[in-house]
Amino acid sequence: DAGVIQSPRHEVTEMGQEVTLRCKPISGHDYLFWYRQTMMRGLELLIYFNNNVPIDDSGMPEDRFSAKMPNASFSTLKIQPSEPRDSAVYFCASSFSGLAGGHTGELFFGEGSRLTVL
Amino acid sequence: KQEVTQIPAALSVPEGENLVLNCSFTDSAIYNLQWFRQDPGKGLTSLLLIQSSQREQTSGRLNASLDKSSGRSTLYIAASQPGDSATYLCAGLISSGSARQLTFGSGTQLTVLP
Repeated sequence: DAGVIQSPRHEVTEMGQEVTLRCKPISGHDYLFWYRQTMMRGLELLIYFNNNVPIDDSGMPEDRFSAKMPNASFSTLKIQPSEPRDSAVYFCASSFSGLAGGHTGELFFGEGSRLTVL
Repeated sequence: KQEVTQIPAALSVPEGENLVLNCSFTDSAIYNLQWFRQDPGKGLTSLLLIQSSQREQTSGRLNASLDKSSGRSTLYIAASQPGDSATYLCAGLISSGSARQLTFGSGTQLTVLP
């Protein structure tokens, strides 16, 4: 199993530029999560999807952030325009709900995308 | 709101020692609790998942326990090795309205000295 795949691994951009982060979840998983990790705030949930549908986006910090999941094998997190305070490591994670339904499954993380906004 | 706390923030032990990492949570109505390991510059690796109906899970030298009534979970590492050095995070899954949310602790940075 290839695991959760994220790209790019590193992104350096200038303030005001658009940033798109990509994620391929583990095949068969029906939940996908986007997290952000910083030294100051730790791990924060931004948004999560169930069967490609956004369920909870209350963690998305501003309208500059948007996320999509056009199909079960691909999701994007977009920041437009980017700001220096967006610098962080962005993680994608996926899980399988199993027969019981709902999200009680084990969470698997990608290696993360380290974003630096100058 | 669920809060997850890990104490201590950092721990240093000599190789071979058995150790316990602590995780406490405020909402006892959790669905599960998961322990992760994070190496510098890497993602989180799942170690153990304990469902709310379980008391403990074991994998190799690792044993995780869950006590919902006291709001505590522990990760026991037997015969620690330098390769165990990493940050260990716990996360509790709870209901948040109609959604379910995983709340992470801030982690314990473990250093095992050779």
